[in-house]
Amino acid sequence: GQNIDQPTEMTATEGAIVQINCTYQTSGFNGLFWYQQHAGEAPTFLSYNVLDGLEEKGRFSSFLSRSKGYSYLLLKELQMKDSASYLCAVENDYKLSFGAGTTVTVRA
Amino acid sequence: DAGVIQSPRHEVTEMGQEVTLRCKPISGHNSLFWYRQTMMRGLELLIYFNNNVPIDDSGMPEDRFSAKMPNASFSTLKIQPSEPRDSAVYFCASSFFGTSGNTIYFGEGSWLTVV
Repeated sequence: GQNIDQPTEMTATEGAIVQINCTYQTSGFNGLFWYQQHAGEAPTFLSYNVLDGLEEKGRFSSFLSRSKGYSYLLLKELQMKDSASYLCAVENDYKLSFGAGTTVTVRA
Repeated sequence: DAGVIQSPRHEVTEMGQEVTLRCKPISGHNSLFWYRQTMMRGLELLIYFNNNVPIDDSGMPEDRFSAKMPNASFSTLKIQPSEPRDSAVYFCASSFFGTSGNTIYFGEGSWLTVV
């Protein structure tokens, strides 16, 4: 079975940092993805981790600990346009299983 | 490059009617996925194809749902007969199957309302 947990909502101020945690218990694991989804739009790819450690990509970073079944997405220097849902997804057998998503609201 | 193309973007239909959703994957991709998204259940995988062959349809809710991929550039998801609980956003996505870590790319979605 697949169990992927992430917080439902988070609120932060423009310019701040927010960390979105994701824990997973899955029957298999090849890697972990983070997707961003703005309201009314399709999910778009943000990051992918297959090895333990931190992957940095501009203002966004993603961390993975396979032994702990844990990942986080770090959003720095928040901008209003970062208000969106962030989806954690576990890859297994080339399929992605998604968490419920974390809605991030950025306030001025 | 064109992304994943879905049609229709929006459909409102009456209960009992047949609904057909269409998808054109990204050229060169050999894996295609159909997902359904609702507020209650989030993003669920319905079925996925590799090289036009259905590999896993365990997420298809019931016999009212069927999916086909007659060639590498076209897929359909059909609901017959449709019910109000089928109202959701249906996403088609594609990727290149070959190595782990293949990013899947989503289409804009088909917003289905069954009344």
